[in-house]
Amino acid sequence: LAKTTQPISMDSYEGQEVNITCSHNNIATNDYITWYQQFPSQGPRFIIQGYKTKVTNEVASLFIPADRKSSTLSLPRVSLSDTAVYYCLVGDTGAAGNKLTFGGGTRVLVKP
Amino acid sequence: EAQVTQNPRYLITVTGKKLTVTCSQNMNHEYMSWYRQDPGLGLRQIYYSMNVEVTDKGDVPEGYKVSRKEKRNFPLILESPSPNQTSLYFCASSWTSATSEKQYFGPGTRLTVL
Repeated sequence: LAKTTQPISMDSYEGQEVNITCSHNNIATNDYITWYQQFPSQGPRFIIQGYKTKVTNEVASLFIPADRKSSTLSLPRVSLSDTAVYYCLVGDTGAAGNKLTFGGGTRVLVKP
Repeated sequence: EAQVTQNPRYLITVTGKKLTVTCSQNMNHEYMSWYRQDPGLGLRQIYYSMNVEVTDKGDVPEGYKVSRKEKRNFPLILESPSPNQTSLYFCASSWTSATSEKQYFGPGTRLTVL
């Protein structure tokens, strides 16, 4: 069972870089690491995904060390509109069936 | 436009009155699921469906039913709603359940059971 652990909340200021680390000690060989962003009263939105090393897109970067037991989502130069909850997701595809489990998420508050 | 739709978006009902929340996706996805979200508890999966006529329990299935008669639709049924089912509900779909697949979420249904 690949569970994840993230900080409950983080505060930042506009223009700063925000780094959120997710622990997933029991990640399986075939599992990818996916991050979602959720604004209040909206459904989560996919932002980035990776398997190992570093992935970058127009929204964020994802750093994954060689042992893959953790990952760090990096949001460069955040703005007020980046205030949201960020979820780290690692799939659970065990014998019980293909069931996806979201962790508790990290509430990021960007201040002016 | 690729999307997941849910109806209704808001619903206030009373204990014991059966209700259905519809979910539809236009991406021909195999996998669909329902989540509920409560303050401090994050997203918890209720039921999921790997394909038509194939459904299974998630983490919190008690008090809910689902059906998957067509690939695009995955309704959530509350046969006898109770106040502890007051929550924000999300439907999601993807090609498969693997984490390599992007999940698309609906806009949510806010349910209040009095």
